[in-house]
Amino acid sequence: QMQLVQSGPEVKKPGTSVKVSCKASGFTFTSSAMQWVRQARGQRLEWIGWIVVGSGNTNYAQKFQERVTITRDMSTSTAYMELSSLRSEDTAVYYCAADIMVPYYMDVWGKGTTVTVSS
Amino acid sequence: IQLTQSPSFLSASVGDRVTITCRASQGISSYLAWYQQKPGKAPKLLIYAASTLQSGVPSRFSGSGSGTEFTLTISSLQPEDFATYYCQQLNSYPFTFGPGTKVDIK
Repeated sequence: QMQLVQSGPEVKKPGTSVKVSCKASGFTFTSSAMQWVRQARGQRLEWIGWIVVGSGNTNYAQKFQERVTITRDMSTSTAYMELSSLRSEDTAVYYCAADIMVPYYMDVWGKGTTVTVSS
Repeated sequence: IQLTQSPSFLSASVGDRVTITCRASQGISSYLAWYQQKPGKAPKLLIYAASTLQSGVPSRFSGSGSGTEFTLTISSLQPEDFATYYCQQLNSYPFTFGPGTKVDIK
């Protein structure tokens, strides 16, 4: 069964960092790309960036360019998204997603990780 | 690339035919996906490459379009289809999403 299991909820203070993990199983991790998307309460989906797992190549939305790092560990089939210099506006549900069947199109999603930024 | 969706909200009845439009600020060929999202859940891929039905998705869903204008059609709305629908372009970075269309029960 193809699935992505994300790490648990986080509560962080402004100015700190958060690192969310996404463990893949049931498919060939190294042949996929992993996308990260976030959604603030009641808001639209927002693309953060992605990593092509096999090559390690990444691309980030300009909005997050200076604060985000997406990595992967092929030995554990896990992708990571680290966001630094957190502010209250970063409070959201963070999703990882993978393209399993068709390149670029995300057909397997994690259940989301809630990140709350509050002093 | 900016995406707009219309309408932003749609009230419909079971059995209705529903059409949602997604417009891109510049041409994106057919690099468009449609997702369905229910409250508290992750998005679910419905359509990719503008018109290809994802495996396991009911055939009442269909997509069309290319370039800058795309549509998602639900031929006969079912109770489980009440949700928010998003388009996403994958032609160029960043892979932006539309603002969403919420389909509610009339």
